[in-house]
Amino acid sequence: NAGVMQNPRHLVRRRGQEARLRCSPMKGHSHVYWYRQLPEEGLKFMVYLQKENIIDESGMPKERFSAEFPKEGPSILRIQQVVRGDSAAYFCASSPRTSKNIQYFGAGTRLSVL
Amino acid sequence: ELKVEQNPLFLSMQEGKNYTIYCNYSTTSDRLYWYRQDPGKSLESLFVLLSNGAVKQEGRLMASLDTKARLSTLHITAAVHDLSATYFCAVMYSGGGADGLTFGKGTHLIIQP
Repeated sequence: NAGVMQNPRHLVRRRGQEARLRCSPMKGHSHVYWYRQLPEEGLKFMVYLQKENIIDESGMPKERFSAEFPKEGPSILRIQQVVRGDSAAYFCASSPRTSKNIQYFGAGTRLSVL
Repeated sequence: ELKVEQNPLFLSMQEGKNYTIYCNYSTTSDRLYWYRQDPGKSLESLFVLLSNGAVKQEGRLMASLDTKARLSTLHITAAVHDLSATYFCAVMYSGGGADGLTFGKGTHLIIQP
């Protein structure tokens, strides 16, 4: 049973470009969470999704950031017009049912904005 | 807003010694998690603590939860080098409306031979 798969592992973008981060949850998991980790910081919750639904986006910046979890395929975290402050590690986690289950984390995508 | 504070943030210790990491949180929660992260890696789940007085042990690590004091501890017994990592506690807010975990800043643990 493969774990949570994230790709790419490393992503380099220039200011103003778009970044797309992908996350495939563990098999049998229908709940996906995205977190951002700045250097020397803990993870900050961004968004919680179920298939075709955004359940909680209270941690998402109001502009440039969006997330989706379509019926088929991975969850996507999209950052438009990236700025240097977007440089961080972005982690995806999944859980089998409600958000009160253990969240299993992927290896993360490290985004560097030049 | 739920706040989670860990201390110490940095800890260097010798093999064979015991130490405790503390995690305080600011509001009611019905579960607390401990994770381990190695440099450049993802987070590995260590413990889930669900109720007041819960204690869980795995090898040289033991975690406990006091919901009245809003405090969890992670105790390391007879530390070995392999336990060097960053340890995070995370809390699930039980007040509704927020479904993600709130993490502490992490404790960077270095265990020297």
